[in-house]
Amino acid sequence: AIQMTQSPSSLSASVGDRVTITCRASQGIRNDLGWYQQKPGKAPKLLIYAASSLQSGVPSRFSGSGSGTEFTLSISSLQPEDFATYYCLEGARTFGQGTKVEIK
Amino acid sequence: EVQLVESGGGLVQPGGSLRLSCVASGFTFSSYWMSWVRQAPGKGLEWVANIKQDGSEKYYVDSVKGRFTISRDNAKNSLYLQMDSLRGEDAAVYYCARRQMVMAATLVYYFDYWGQGTLVTVSS
Repeated sequence: AIQMTQSPSSLSASVGDRVTITCRASQGIRNDLGWYQQKPGKAPKLLIYAASSLQSGVPSRFSGSGSGTEFTLSISSLQPEDFATYYCLEGARTFGQGTKVEIK
Repeated sequence: EVQLVESGGGLVQPGGSLRLSCVASGFTFSSYWMSWVRQAPGKGLEWVANIKQDGSEKYYVDSVKGRFTISRDNAKNSLYLQMDSLRGEDAAVYYCARRQMVMAATLVYYFDYWGQGTLVTVSS
């Protein structure tokens, strides 16, 4: 089974900062990777699919890149509403462990 | 507007059973694979099960094989998860999710819509 290793597990950042989160797959998955944002008590929200395609309605400060085994979610200028936990998802089957983005 | 509404969660004793339901609206339910995803308290997300559009294919995470059964009724736009022999580690919020598939250089899969979740508590 494919394993997804997400890092860091948490980070502290300030409004306006650029934030980068990484997911590594245990084997090549081409571009079959999505990114989700989850706030406490809420369902996850799709941000990025196919590694780099922005879901409709998601702000353009979110971007995804990578293919094969290394993938990155970037937030260009962190906004107050972006403080949340982020998960990668391979093939609608395997989630990363999550990255909690907290206020510095 | 796509909506997924789960129900059926609650408190159950270890070894007991529970049946979760998810009613879909706003899209052609019979055209999509559907899934259950769970999240234990304070933990990450875990895919639980998938079912094909016509119910002919079903897949499960190893930890629930033989205990959980996913099913659907396309006439009622409904997805189900029958959970038997429940254990403490099955306690979680269970989400119903629509699985999307698109061609983007290769076929890719992801969950594009989620329900609000239903809480399952396993305790004596």
